[in-house]
Amino acid sequence: QKEVEQDPGPLSVPEGAIVSLNCTYSNSAFQYFMWYRQYSRKGPELLMYTYSSGNKEDGRFTAQVDKSSKYISLFIRDSQPSDSATYLCAMSGISNFGNEKLTFGTGTRLTIIP
Amino acid sequence: DSGVTQTPKHLITATGQRVTLRCSPRSGDLSVYWYQQSLDQGLQFLIQYYNGEERAKGNILERFSAQQFPDLHSELNLSSLELGDSALYFCASSVRGGGFQETQYFGPGTRLLVL
Repeated sequence: QKEVEQDPGPLSVPEGAIVSLNCTYSNSAFQYFMWYRQYSRKGPELLMYTYSSGNKEDGRFTAQVDKSSKYISLFIRDSQPSDSATYLCAMSGISNFGNEKLTFGTGTRLTIIP
Repeated sequence: DSGVTQTPKHLITATGQRVTLRCSPRSGDLSVYWYQQSLDQGLQFLIQYYNGEERAKGNILERFSAQQFPDLHSELNLSSLELGDSALYFCASSVRGGGFQETQYFGPGTRLLVL
């Protein structure tokens, strides 16, 4: 079993819809949770990161973490065609050395239909 | 544009060969990370260097090695290549070596095809 599971999709939704992307994980040591966006033929770029449980909002994006269920979500409101990309969740533990590696999900390919 | 550059963009080679991928981090960034991205495994962390020294190791095969030079650019060497090594190889950089605490800026990747 992989440490991080993510539905690969593809997911197609009409423009303006609310998108929900999710990941589950098995490692209780994960404390920091991130979402990356990757456009076709580009490197991933960090969208949001959260620590421990709770919500974080940034514009049209909301990240949620439920550590009790080992489940994280990214919501995109008022989705736009420019949001079409692959979304990768990533997570990390914590150490005094600051060298905890990121463990990524396989990514969900999202298409917003105009 | 993240400021991280990678060369070459594409590489086609044969099984058993050796290749070198190059990465230049963003100006001022001391840490370099290497990742492999394949369709079935997703993005896998390979290795991290901080200011010339190895800092963390992930799922890097013994056939693979990396180094970071005094000018902070890094090279990933892949030898005895197999078909399964075909993937996208990304380099990322961050200011220090803080992993999650710092944003990692990814380069555009090198697409390796082993025939």
